[in-house]
Amino acid sequence: QSVLTQPPSVSGAPGQRVTISCTGSSSNIGARYDVHWYQQLPGTAPKLLIYGNSNRPSRVPDRFSGSKSGTSASLAISGLQAEDEADYYCQSYDSSLSGWVFGGGTRLTVL
Amino acid sequence: EVQLVESGGGLVQPGGSLRLSCAASGFIFSTYSMNWVRQAPGKGLEWVSYITSTSGSLYYADSVKGRFTISRDNAKNSLYLQMNSLRAEDTAVYYCATVYSYYMDVWGKGTTVTVSS
Repeated sequence: QSVLTQPPSVSGAPGQRVTISCTGSSSNIGARYDVHWYQQLPGTAPKLLIYGNSNRPSRVPDRFSGSKSGTSASLAISGLQAEDEADYYCQSYDSSLSGWVFGGGTRLTVL
Repeated sequence: EVQLVESGGGLVQPGGSLRLSCAASGFIFSTYSMNWVRQAPGKGLEWVSYITSTSGSLYYADSVKGRFTISRDNAKNSLYLQMNSLRAEDTAVYYCATVYSYYMDVWGKGTTVTVSS
């Protein structure tokens, strides 16, 4: 059972927009801690996708966007492409656990 | 090129020990805090341990506290994870990652640890 809750899977057709939710609590997302997102392509290590709730590293296309509100956060991917098929993880810090926490991961399938 | 390369994984019997290493290059290792994160087969990511740049603060997940020890040698640009009393549930790919403001911006490719008799 992950501290942060994500849907196990989402899917969309090429060109469509999908969103992935990430729900936490008052000791992590609801506190002063930001939400970050990672993309893990099949058989590879995770890569930073979004940091500080909504910031993109320069190598990440602007089709990817993030937001945070209250105890939840969302990752949106617009203009879906086949190469976006991957597992996506949200991450924050939890003050009660004194450690980093992840969502269980969401598998994106591009139909 | 900024790079992290893990090594030291392998097959070990339950109750055994293993020491993982993470070699850093392409950046000033001594200025970065570091995390170990693991991923069991077919499962999600799990944070394992954290160390500050000067080794002044160390944190562990409850699942490994008392069994794993994180350390670093800034002169050798290296991070370590000493794993003792290994259990089957420690079987995973172990990643090292740089930590910046509570997120992990550079990850290694991982090293596989299998605990089995």
